Amino acid sequence: GENVEQHPSTLSVQEGDSAVIKCTYSDSASNYFPWYKQELGKRPQLIIDIRSNVGEKKDQRIAVTLNKTAKHFSLHITETQPEDSAVYFCAASANYQLIWGAGTKLIIKP
Amino acid sequence: DADVTQTPRNRITKTGKRIMLECSQTKGHDRMYWYRQDPGLGLRLIYYSFDVKDINKGEISDGYSVSRQAQAKFSLSLESAIPNQTALYFCATSDFPGQGYTFGSGTRLTVV
Repeated sequence: GENVEQHPSTLSVQEGDSAVIKCTYSDSASNYFPWYKQELGKRPQLIIDIRSNVGEKKDQRIAVTLNKTAKHFSLHITETQPEDSAVYFCAASANYQLIWGAGTKLIIKP
Repeated sequence: DADVTQTPRNRITKTGKRIMLECSQTKGHDRMYWYRQDPGLGLRLIYYSFDVKDINKGEISDGYSVSRQAQAKFSLSLESAIPNQTALYFCATSDFPGQGYTFGSGTRLTVV
């Protein structure tokens, strides 16, 4: 079955710098890759997603890239701000289920 | 606003007790899911349902059962709670299998 690995588990960046979180997946049939943000004490919320027929997608300061050959996808956050502090989860959709990464805690240092 | 509502928000129960966590949604989605979240382990799927007559086990279904009472309601039961079931539980819905998940606010369960 599908397996999703997410790195790093914790990422600390200076406010204003960029942050990159990477995920790899194992099932070449996976065709949908969402990213969720979970602020402390709150529910996970979808922030961006990408489908397998697209290589990159942007939404203001966040972007996701997908490399189907290497089976990895990444979340890029530019000009980080304090409100970006959260846990970020990647996931891959295979067999009509979402398989989740273990999460990355992003810390924005002032 | 259309949403996913979980009750209770917090619950403390004793070992061996039966407990039910409830989830209701106004999004009109057919697909509903129960997840468990433990620190450092991300989200693990307990059960999922693609319509009222469909119930499927996830990766960690042992010790849990579910009931899909209606399109809008999906309940999770712990038949005999044990301390290692202490966790944050999320219900989620989607309009397409594996896509577009909306999560409830979560139920923090403590088993003592």
